[in-house]
Amino acid sequence: QSALTQPASVSGPPGQSITISCTGTNSDVGGYNYVSWYQQHPGKAPKLMIYDVSNRPSGLSDRFSGSKSGNTASLTISGLQAEDEADYYCISYTGSSWVFGGGTKLIVL
Amino acid sequence: QLQLQESGPGLVKPSETLSLTCTVSGDSISSSGYYWGWIRQPPGKGLDWIGQIYYSGSTSYKPSLKSRVTISADTSKNQFSLKLSSVTAADTAVYYCTRRAYGSGRVDYWGQGTLVTVSS
Repeated sequence: QSALTQPASVSGPPGQSITISCTGTNSDVGGYNYVSWYQQHPGKAPKLMIYDVSNRPSGLSDRFSGSKSGNTASLTISGLQAEDEADYYCISYTGSSWVFGGGTKLIVL
Repeated sequence: QLQLQESGPGLVKPSETLSLTCTVSGDSISSSGYYWGWIRQPPGKGLDWIGQIYYSGSTSYKPSLKSRVTISADTSKNQFSLKLSSVTAADTAVYYCTRRAYGSGRVDYWGQGTLVTVSS
């Protein structure tokens, strides 16, 4: 069971859109619609942003959206804001357990 | 409002057993519909899924930790626990307890996390 693959970092200026990818296999990301995304600010517990590929928790900004194609899931953040700067993690079901991606640091320039 | 609170020793010696408890308030861990689990994060590193327990008592664990991990529940105290045996420095991490909805990947509640250091 290997960790899902995420880019180490992505960046963009305020107002732009960015996409973070999460690549797995057909035994995890590609096999199930159970991919979630979490945002984590330094010293804080992670916060759920997207669940089950493309669902947003109640009250979360619609600037955050999720999708999946084959073995790769994606988190898109539109209209970047300074407070979006954080670490982002994907996680997928594997059929019997769960596996995280290595995390992506989002830098708002 | 649901709250999860981790508790346990902050320092564990190598080769010993790490034991943590998560106390849940605002919901019953014996009600159907949720998994109660543990996730950890070594200092400066990423998140690592450890395992979970369902209200029925069924458990599932990260394959590479399975031989060392036990997650159990005490419904009378509305608590669930993590035991990790034969710890090494690699087990040093912030440990979070969590709640996940059944039939979904939605982990909607996290404890604040507790740092456990493995050192002699």
